[in-house]
Amino acid sequence: DIQMSQSPASLSASVGDRVTITCRASQNIATSYLNWYQQKPRQAPKLLIYAASNLYSGVPSRFSGSGSKTDFTLTISSLQPEDFGTYYCQQSFSAPATFGQGTKVDIK
Amino acid sequence: EVQLVESGGGVVRPGGSLRLSCEASGFIFDDHGMSWVRQAPGKGLEWVSGLIWNGDSTAYIDSVKGRFTISRDNAKNSLYLQMNSLRAEDTAIYYCARGYAVAGLYYFDYWGQGTLVTVSS
Repeated sequence: DIQMSQSPASLSASVGDRVTITCRASQNIATSYLNWYQQKPRQAPKLLIYAASNLYSGVPSRFSGSGSKTDFTLTISSLQPEDFGTYYCQQSFSAPATFGQGTKVDIK
Repeated sequence: EVQLVESGGGVVRPGGSLRLSCEASGFIFDDHGMSWVRQAPGKGLEWVSGLIWNGDSTAYIDSVKGRFTISRDNAKNSLYLQMNSLRAEDTAIYYCARGYAVAGLYYFDYWGQGTLVTVSS
């Protein structure tokens, strides 16, 4: 199975800060097979980014994704109060689909 | 509006069985592959099983192979997960999610609210 590793495990940032979360795959997953989700407490996850850099419908433009092969990044350009939660990357390059362990984002 | 509504969770003893259901609405159900994704208490997300639009191709993580069976009834817009020989480590919230493919890009763009399965003696 492909292992997905996220860093940092958690972070605390202020409103307006630029936030970057990294996801590393244990092997090359090309460009198109990496997705990002946001999960708030007691809620189901929500899709943010698909195919590494495509913003899902309705997701604010302050979210962006980049990367290829083994290294991917989710960036929040200006952190907003509603952006708290846990963020997960997920690959669909090779079965089974696997998720990173999550990055918990708190607002200072 | 797309909706996925799970049911069937509960408390079951180790070795017992449960059948989860997911009723879909707001989209053409048989146009999409579907998956079950679970989340143990305080833990991350784990894809469990998926099947393509007509159910002819299914997949599972190793830890549930031979114990869980995924299926769908397109006439009823419903997805199922039959869980047998349940173990304590199967305790989790089980989410129904739209999305699955045998090959190529796929993502989970809609999720249900989840149903809690607790395996405990």
